[in-house]
Amino acid sequence: GENVEQHPSTLSVQEGDSAVIKCTYSDSASNYFPWYKQELGKGPQLIIDIRSNVGEKKDQRIAVTLNKTAKHFSLHITETQPEDSAVYFCAARTTDSWGKLQFGAGTQVVVTP
Amino acid sequence: ETGVTQTPRHLVMGMTNKKSLKCEQHLGHNAMYWYKQSAKKPLELMFVYNFKEQTENNSVPSRFSPECPNSSHLFLHLHTLQPEDSALYLCASSQDRGDFGYTFGSGTRLTVV
Repeated sequence: GENVEQHPSTLSVQEGDSAVIKCTYSDSASNYFPWYKQELGKGPQLIIDIRSNVGEKKDQRIAVTLNKTAKHFSLHITETQPEDSAVYFCAARTTDSWGKLQFGAGTQVVVTP
Repeated sequence: ETGVTQTPRHLVMGMTNKKSLKCEQHLGHNAMYWYKQSAKKPLELMFVYNFKEQTENNSVPSRFSPECPNSSHLFLHLHTLQPEDSALYLCASSQDRGDFGYTFGSGTRLTVV
């Protein structure tokens, strides 16, 4: 089955700097890669996603890149702000008959003023 | 509000108690999921329902019993739990097979004493 590894587990950045979170996946047939943000006391919320026919996608200060050959994808947050502090999860859609999402272990991002 | 509502938000129960978690979605989605979220671990898929039919039971102990009376409601019945079952239980829904990502509820924080 699909296995998703996420690094780093914690990330501390200065406000205004960029943050990068990387994930690798094992199933080369996986075709959908969402990213979720989980704030304290809330459930994970989808912030951006990418499909395997696209190499990069941007939405304001966040972007995701996908390298299918290397089987890794990354989340980039530019000009970080205190409200970006949260736990971020990557996921990959499995290629079994259901196509459920396999999640990474999460990255705790702390943005310090 | 994300469109997926979970109740209660917090629950403390003894090991001999019987309790139920409730999830309701107002998004018109066809699939619903139960996830367990423990500290420092990836999200663990427990159950998947599609059009009220259970399509996956991820080797979950029988002390957890799901129920899906219709596509909008999902329950998790709890009985004779162990302290290691203490976690955040998240409900999610998707249009179909996770192709467009999941919408999560805020979760129920369960503590077993």
